[in-house]
Amino acid sequence: NAGVTQTPKFQVLKTGQSMTLQCAQDMNHEYMSWYRQDPGMGLRLIHYSVGAGITDQGEVPNGYNVSRSTTEDFPLRLLSAAPSQTSVYFCASSYSARANYGYTFGSGTRLTVV
Amino acid sequence: QQPVQSPQAVILREGEDAVINCSSSKALYSVHWYRQKHGEAPVFLMILLKGGEQKGHEKISASFNEKKQQSSLYLTASQLSYSGTYFCGTGSNTGNQFYFGTGTSLTVIP
Repeated sequence: NAGVTQTPKFQVLKTGQSMTLQCAQDMNHEYMSWYRQDPGMGLRLIHYSVGAGITDQGEVPNGYNVSRSTTEDFPLRLLSAAPSQTSVYFCASSYSARANYGYTFGSGTRLTVV
Repeated sequence: QQPVQSPQAVILREGEDAVINCSSSKALYSVHWYRQKHGEAPVFLMILLKGGEQKGHEKISASFNEKKQQSSLYLTASQLSYSGTYFCGTGSNTGNQFYFGTGTSLTVIP
């Protein structure tokens, strides 16, 4: 049982480049989400999904797109990378969208935009 | 939206106790607690679903005061392995967004 798998673990981008952070879970979890973690800011919600075909914005969605075509996958796309998007990104999933089950996190992607 | 945690940081000697508080300006439906070791992903510790609920095992436990919109995490007789950053997280029964607190850095020294 792999849990939540994130790739890549590290990435360096130039300003203006685009890329996709991959997230996959094999637990048949209904709810998936993306967070960014910056020093002193905790974990901030970027986008989330309550099921295949359904996504919505979190606190800090600007500059990011998501889609969820299957239950398992929830990729995060950076459209035109900016230095302000330098951060550690975590994908998390949960059995239910109602926050009555714990979240399982992926191992994170450390992104640097130069 | 983001819950506020206090203290921001705490240093303990092995065997000492600590309390981490989490408060929200919005009504709480549930409260989660997570621990994150340096360079790793957060790991789920426990969830409290009802006001007045207390949970955990003898060394790490938590309480949830729904009226005050607060939760507290209690670490007793701390061990070196307790070091890390602790986050609370809150959801609501009307929405699907889930917010993590600002985090509390806990360092246990010998």
